[in-house]
Amino acid sequence: GAVVSQHPSWVICKSGTSVKIECRSLDFQATTMFWYRQFPKQSLMLMATSNEGSKATYEQGVEKDKFLINHASLTLSTLTVTSAHPEDSSFYICSARDRPRRPPLAKNIQYFGAGTRLSVL
Amino acid sequence: SQQGEEDPQALSIQEGENATMNCSYKTSINNLQWYRQNSGRGLVHLILIRSNEREKHSGRLRVTLDTSKKSSSLLITASRAADTASYFCATDAAGANSKLTFGKGITLSVRP
Repeated sequence: GAVVSQHPSWVICKSGTSVKIECRSLDFQATTMFWYRQFPKQSLMLMATSNEGSKATYEQGVEKDKFLINHASLTLSTLTVTSAHPEDSSFYICSARDRPRRPPLAKNIQYFGAGTRLSVL
Repeated sequence: SQQGEEDPQALSIQEGENATMNCSYKTSINNLQWYRQNSGRGLVHLILIRSNEREKHSGRLRVTLDTSKKSSSLLITASRAADTASYFCATDAAGANSKLTFGKGITLSVRP
């Protein structure tokens, strides 16, 4: 269980175009999804926290108008890189956290998608 | 500042040997988790240890946690070539609104 599907796995686009990345939780409901960016041989940098039915919470330094996040349902969050430029080229990874249970959530395990490699020419 | 800091940054061992990776952190935590990432892929959760636990086992994995020193270690016993990957510790900090903070990662190479 706990499978997260991320699509596409790889995309090449021209500078100035927009790219949409989808993140789906396949066998559980995810009230919260996370979007990360990872540079080669580096750690994951959290970009934003996506909450179903509400606006995403962006980390400091991440442009919300550049990286549009929509969490329209309990199983789908999308990240749109608008007007992509070569400096946006990176590996983007999403993760999903299972719906909280009663009593209060004791664990915070995230289930990751396989990542999307974006190359902007 | 980086919450989780692993060391060493890179580790190369022979198949069959044990691999020990360390992680230090700075703030109070609810739990600490270890993840694995194969090259160009997403992360896979390996093991979670709660702040009130000192040691945990899962198969060939052993995790320890020392909250007084704010450190954790991941031991992989009898390593295999397939264990070659990057390993990250992640802290679930108290009051952090469910965000995990990842360390820089350790690249483990297991030579056949």
